[in-house]
Amino acid sequence: EADIYQTPRYLVIGTGKKITLECSQTMGHDKMYWYQQDPGMELHLIHYSYGVNSTEKGDLSSESTVSRIRTEHFPLTLESARPSHTSQYLCASSEWGRQYEQYFGPGTRLTVT
Amino acid sequence: AQSVAQPEDQVNVAEGNPLTVKCTYSVSGNPYLFWYVQYPNRGLQFLLKYITGDNLVKGSYGFEAEFNKSQTSFHLKKPSALVSDSALYFCAVSSHGSSNTGKLIFGQGTTLQVKP
Repeated sequence: EADIYQTPRYLVIGTGKKITLECSQTMGHDKMYWYQQDPGMELHLIHYSYGVNSTEKGDLSSESTVSRIRTEHFPLTLESARPSHTSQYLCASSEWGRQYEQYFGPGTRLTVT
Repeated sequence: AQSVAQPEDQVNVAEGNPLTVKCTYSVSGNPYLFWYVQYPNRGLQFLLKYITGDNLVKGSYGFEAEFNKSQTSFHLKKPSALVSDSALYFCAVSSHGSSNTGKLIFGQGTTLQVKP
């Protein structure tokens, strides 16, 4: 198992609530990623970071925001959750370089009612 | 455009039989290719990768994959399937770009069902 953690694992909240999904890794990786996995199981990159104070939007537009203040921590925030945000969110990290694999956390399954 | 295709949504195989999960890719330049497995309610686990060298790559849990440059394929194989291999499998390619981003382009996933 990789040393990358996500909390909470499951979250059910009401529409309009602000939420933060936590992701942390202890491997010292510079690169971190957030993916959204839809019911059809495809993975969509929504945010990534190359290091502290670096964040970029991914291939799928998302209303969420991220921050990278510490190397090990890459939280994702939704200011006002909606039912369309219901999904599985996966965090990953990797070393610098295209040849390195990404290590994934266990995921957060979010349900917005 | 760079892309990865997994042509089969589901592969069914009997326990003890060999299995193949197919993957084809389209990238410019040399591809870096990866296979991941996802069990229910879990994140993705890395299985193996091809960077360079021998076209046959061996990975975790007895899996292997064969890189075929002429056919732009990277099929995942196992000589003898186990019921516990039943899971969702993703093929991915590392994207090329002006920066060394390490972003992965994933296929749509293939569900492997191994029946006893």
